[in-house]
Amino acid sequence: EPEVTQTPSHQVTQMGQEVILRCVPISNHLYFYWYRQILGQKVEFLVSFYNNEISEKSEIFDDQFSVERPDGSNFTLKIRSTKLEDSAMYFCASNNPPGTGELFFGEGSRLTVL
Amino acid sequence: GEDVEQSLFLSVREGDSSVINCTYTDSSSTYLYWYKQEPGAGLQLLTYIFSNMDMKQDQRLTVLLNKKDKHLSLRIADTQTGDSAIYFCAESGSSNTGKLIFGQGTTLQVKP
Repeated sequence: EPEVTQTPSHQVTQMGQEVILRCVPISNHLYFYWYRQILGQKVEFLVSFYNNEISEKSEIFDDQFSVERPDGSNFTLKIRSTKLEDSAMYFCASNNPPGTGELFFGEGSRLTVL
Repeated sequence: GEDVEQSLFLSVREGDSSVINCTYTDSSSTYLYWYKQEPGAGLQLLTYIFSNMDMKQDQRLTVLLNKKDKHLSLRIADTQTGDSAIYFCAESGSSNTGKLIFGQGTTLQVKP
């Protein structure tokens, strides 16, 4: 069964460093998303991406964040200068044009900022 | 703004029924979802319900939707130890763009 894969599963970084989280969405999906979950808090929408551009973004997704689809398979989330409060589990998801809206999630990348 | 609330924890005995409850604020949401998260895994869609339905049954799972009260529940019949996980309620909002609003998750503990 096709699945969304994410790397790395866990990354530890120093405050101020740049981090890139990688995702390989399901191959025939056209919409891509990043969500995050700070420990003990809700899963929060960050950004959606379609046709090589951002469709929607939340207030959390400020200038420190960017997304890119560098080739036909990868979808990346970059945090330019990490802060302590960026420590969270980051989930990538994908789906096809809205329909039931079902999102297919990856297993997440845990980011720890020291 | 849009918000989804769930109780944090539920403990049941194996074989009993579990009922996980959720309230939401956006009455225009098109779809409402239940996702399951097992330890170390991603979010897996369990089931969803379209907003014009009030009940959906899928094997051991029954979803009830009360639109008037903006209340959603997930009933798991004959709960098994393998059902132990975190269950997230989510709403699609009116635009159904794939931006989901999640609750904080209910941890279901199933005791043998």
